[in-house]
Amino acid sequence: SSELTQDPAVSVALGQTVRITCQGDSLRNSYASWYQQKPGQAPILVIFGYSIRPSGIPDRFSGSSSGNTASLTITGAQAEDEADYYCNSRDSSGTHLVFGGGTKLTVL
Amino acid sequence: EVQLVESGGGLIQPGGSLRLSCAASGFTVSNNYMSWVRQPPGKGLEWVSLIYSAGATYYADSVKGRFTISRDNSENTLYLQMNSLRAEDTAVYFCARDRIAALNNWYFEVWGRGTLVTVSS
Repeated sequence: SSELTQDPAVSVALGQTVRITCQGDSLRNSYASWYQQKPGQAPILVIFGYSIRPSGIPDRFSGSSSGNTASLTITGAQAEDEADYYCNSRDSSGTHLVFGGGTKLTVL
Repeated sequence: EVQLVESGGGLIQPGGSLRLSCAASGFTVSNNYMSWVRQPPGKGLEWVSLIYSAGATYYADSVKGRFTISRDNSENTLYLQMNSLRAEDTAVYFCARDRIAALNNWYFEVWGRGTLVTVSS
């Protein structure tokens, strides 16, 4: 079972703001990274560190963290943001990496 | 351009062995931390294995003792040797370049497109 917990599915109206959360004890000591995956494609990194976006990721994507919960926020969601989103961090032992179960984002 | 290309997947019977390759270009595998991540059909991502630039290796409990991660510096290629394969190992296997900004800031910066492994009789 995953040590990081995500809601299986979230929906958002076009142009509105959505927050995707990730909970786990390891997040008290480690940052989460976030990945977007569209059907049939490899994941791509969208947020790492506290809220750092790799080059090419739109600034509508941001990250935050509090206690054992990390969040990915999309401000002004676009149709192309519809995808699965996964969080990741080192686990509580520090020697393994772990993914959340993923959140399927639907843009209405 | 930084790129990772996996190969070696296919159909294999339970109990069999398979070796996956991940050819890197645009950077040196041996100077980086590298991981394998898998995704069963219709399911989420699962971290499988990691090799440090210094050579230390780590494995998910689900594959420990059966899988071996390694690299060939002359070929600039990462490998995953998979033995005693089970039906539950069926997945797309991705290789990824890890980045460690700090011990508490670890992420997968570059991903390959993946190679499908199907374990079935």
